[in-house]
Amino acid sequence: NAGVTQTPKFQVLKTGQSMTLQCAQDMNHEYMSWYRQDPGMGLRLIHYSVGAGITDQGEVPNGYNVSRSTTEDFPLRLLSAAPSQTSVYFCASSPLGGEYIFSGELFFGEGSRLTVL
Amino acid sequence: AQTVTQSQPEMSVQEAETVTLSCTYDTSESDYYLFWYKQPPSRQMILVIRQEAYKQQNATENRFSVNFQKAAKSFSLKISDSQLGDAAMYFCAYRRRGGADGLTFGKGTHLIIQP
Repeated sequence: NAGVTQTPKFQVLKTGQSMTLQCAQDMNHEYMSWYRQDPGMGLRLIHYSVGAGITDQGEVPNGYNVSRSTTEDFPLRLLSAAPSQTSVYFCASSPLGGEYIFSGELFFGEGSRLTVL
Repeated sequence: AQTVTQSQPEMSVQEAETVTLSCTYDTSESDYYLFWYKQPPSRQMILVIRQEAYKQQNATENRFSVNFQKAAKSFSLKISDSQLGDAAMYFCAYRRRGGADGLTFGKGTHLIIQP
């Protein structure tokens, strides 16, 4: 009954450091995505994937890399963290194909708060 | 590109009263979904209600209901008998059917419940 699991929940980095936010889902969802949430801005899409080996950019992709080697995992990498990347990050997933299973709803992880000093 | 606008950054309502949160959106698509998500201080994103664009009937979930006006591209959320636990940020969101580009969110409305 885990759903979407994100780790870590909190992280503090120094400018220039690298890190990976992990995301795993156990619902066999084809679609996975990363959002960032900033005060007064709502949630904005960073990257998404429609299946293993397939990724694409969202609205705010600069400074972030992703890969999708398995259906379950979709890590988000910050190669050289900047203060502008201080945010709360959400991973979300959903099924994609078939009328009977596609409700449009995204299932969210609990979020990861990242601070870059 | 789709846009979602929530024009009320903050709303306040007395406990047990009714409140309506506004949302408008812009899209050239005809088949899509609309959602209201709730985000309490725990920051978990919780689905409150969803509406399929091809359905004319407004969705309801217990004390939560929507007023979906497709032609006007309006999707408001009504919360009846407000409870202290309803206090949260509320986000309106759009997703086109088969949308691999995920949800487009509004900037949110902070709902305060006055005891």
